[in-house]
Amino acid sequence: QVQLVESGGGLVKPGGSLRLSCAASGFTFSDYYMSWIRQAPGKGLEWVSYISSSGSTIYYADSVKGRFTISRDNAKNSLYLQMNSLRAEDTAVYYCAAFWFGELLPGYWGQGTLVTVSS
Amino acid sequence: EIVLTQSPGTLSLSPGERATLSCRASQSVSSSYLAWYQQKPGQAPRLLIYGASSRATGIPDRFSGSGSGTDFTLTISRLEPEDFAVYYCQQYGSSPGLTFGGGTKVEIK
Repeated sequence: QVQLVESGGGLVKPGGSLRLSCAASGFTFSDYYMSWIRQAPGKGLEWVSYISSSGSTIYYADSVKGRFTISRDNAKNSLYLQMNSLRAEDTAVYYCAAFWFGELLPGYWGQGTLVTVSS
Repeated sequence: EIVLTQSPGTLSLSPGERATLSCRASQSVSSSYLAWYQQKPGQAPRLLIYGASSRATGIPDRFSGSGSGTDFTLTISRLEPEDFAVYYCQQYGSSPGLTFGGGTKVEIK
């Protein structure tokens, strides 16, 4: 059974940092592109970043470029998101997702972890 | 960047009725790389339809997708109580990013 379990969310002050983790199981993690997708309270879905299966290709949304860093450890079946210089508008539930069919198609989703940026 | 506009914002229907949701793209979506997701309160989105019309594993056949180019439709033939939720479309044919529509809420009338 596929599982993606996010952790590391919480309350942080503006300008602060947080590191999110996503533990994967039930599928061959190293074969899949992975992504972080967020959802602000009461709002829609926003893609944040994705990383190729080997980690050699990475893309970021303009809204987080230069502040967030995505990485993965295939030996540990884990995905990470280092978030620096956090702003109030980064407040959201952050979902870890695995892309299907080698396309930018999030087929497996975690349950999400809430990040709140507030003083 | 391809912008996806979903309509209506809210659809008020009764169980057993037919739901028709629209997703319009600002430019053509290549190879019909258009997906639909269902999200219930407090839950992660669930993939329903990919490639504009292919149902994901385990999705009931009352859900169907159609369209090409810039106009796409999700149809729920007969609404079940568990279908009342928010639905999002997403394009995945335009690298490097992926974009989502703003969502349509299907609520009980």
